[in-house]
Amino acid sequence: DAGITQSPRYKITETGRQVTLMCHQTWSHSYMFWYRQDLGHGLRLIYYSAAADITDKGEVPDGYVVSRSKTENFPLTLESATRSQTSVYFCASQGDITEAFFGQGTRLTVV
Amino acid sequence: KQEVTQIPAALSVPEGENLVLNCSFTDSAIYNLQWFRQDPGKGLTSLLLIQSSQREQTSGRLNASLDKSSGRSTLYIAASQPGDSATYLCAVVTGGFKTIFGAGTRLFVKA
Repeated sequence: DAGITQSPRYKITETGRQVTLMCHQTWSHSYMFWYRQDLGHGLRLIYYSAAADITDKGEVPDGYVVSRSKTENFPLTLESATRSQTSVYFCASQGDITEAFFGQGTRLTVV
Repeated sequence: KQEVTQIPAALSVPEGENLVLNCSFTDSAIYNLQWFRQDPGKGLTSLLLIQSSQREQTSGRLNASLDKSSGRSTLYIAASQPGDSATYLCAVVTGGFKTIFGAGTRLFVKA
């Protein structure tokens, strides 16, 4: 099915553990994005990518790592999870002249 | 630094009313502007995309306008329905395809 999918949908992890959130899109969109959404802060851009092997920092990149070896995948890794990284994470993809499409989100809880 | 502001933060209207949601941005050098809808606990659904060279876009009961020179966009919803109740977000795409979101307007349409 065409679309953008995130996995897992829900994740509970312990402080200090490494966690990877997955994002996969089937449109071959050039641009992909990771956001976090928190009460009182709205949606904030963590990292984005203009193409395979091209990534750049957004507003809140500290503590996160991304990679994009293939156009369709854009995983987000929390190297050492902290409680402040408890949030809902959204992945999105967009073509050069198309609208942005969002995944359903991953609800991450760090305990 | 690009900042996006949405007014009002919340709005409650009776069914059938026409309404306007406002979005303002501080830097007029944008690539495009997009309006989204978000239902509680869900991802974002794209409503309208306006390229920087366009003045407005329409889809059904929705009309979005863009005035780059004044840094403003409006989303007009005609004949509102209870099913329109959601949070509406605007986002601007700047150079490098960096996307900045407003905090949203929470809309409640009373039956």
